[in-house]
Amino acid sequence: GAVVSQHPSRVICKSGTSVKIECRSLDFQATTMFWYRQFPKKSLMLMATSNEGSKATYEQGVEKDKFLINHASLTLSTLTVTSAHPEDSSFYICSARDRQGGSPLHFGNGTRLTVT
Amino acid sequence: AQSVTQPDIHITVSEGASLELRCNYSYGATPYLFWYVQSPGQGLQLLLKYFSGDTLVQGIKGFEAEFKRSQSSFNLRKPSVHWSDAAEYFCAVGVNQAGTALIFGKGTTLSVSS
Repeated sequence: GAVVSQHPSRVICKSGTSVKIECRSLDFQATTMFWYRQFPKKSLMLMATSNEGSKATYEQGVEKDKFLINHASLTLSTLTVTSAHPEDSSFYICSARDRQGGSPLHFGNGTRLTVT
Repeated sequence: AQSVTQPDIHITVSEGASLELRCNYSYGATPYLFWYVQSPGQGLQLLLKYFSGDTLVQGIKGFEAEFKRSQSSFNLRKPSVHWSDAAEYFCAVGVNQAGTALIFGKGTTLSVSS
């Protein structure tokens, strides 16, 4: 089946630094990728929609300058958390939509970010 | 506005017993409904989905769900729970079959006792 690889699975960084999370579709081309954030005991919150070759569309309340999204190819989207703060600590999950459409989203295994 | 409600935050079921996880949705048009399972520290795995047709949907791992339009519900069921089913379960509504821009419920944590 379709696989979405997310890397790293865990990352710890210091306040003020930036961290990049990668989301790759391994066996299909993804025109659209989605980034979610999950707080403890909470649901997944859609942060932004990333379309290959164009700017990401951010959900209301999500700071685009803080959460930089790049979707440079049909198999790779990256989320960069810039100038990270402890409140950015969370579980981030990406998902990808097959270019051929018709199938549900495929999710990555998530990245646990801890900002100290 | 679309929304999904999972009334039960945490459920404990004995191994071998039956399971039902509740999900209610609010959506103005034909809903595309999904159930996902998340193991600790992992991403989401699709259990089943409903788009149209037969209101009883079969999924993986022995799960099924029934769409009831009159009750705006899409409850997940399993006749006999296994210890490996312990996880977080999310109900979601999407605007299309691809499940783009999913709106998730807050999840139900399932614990399985021996």
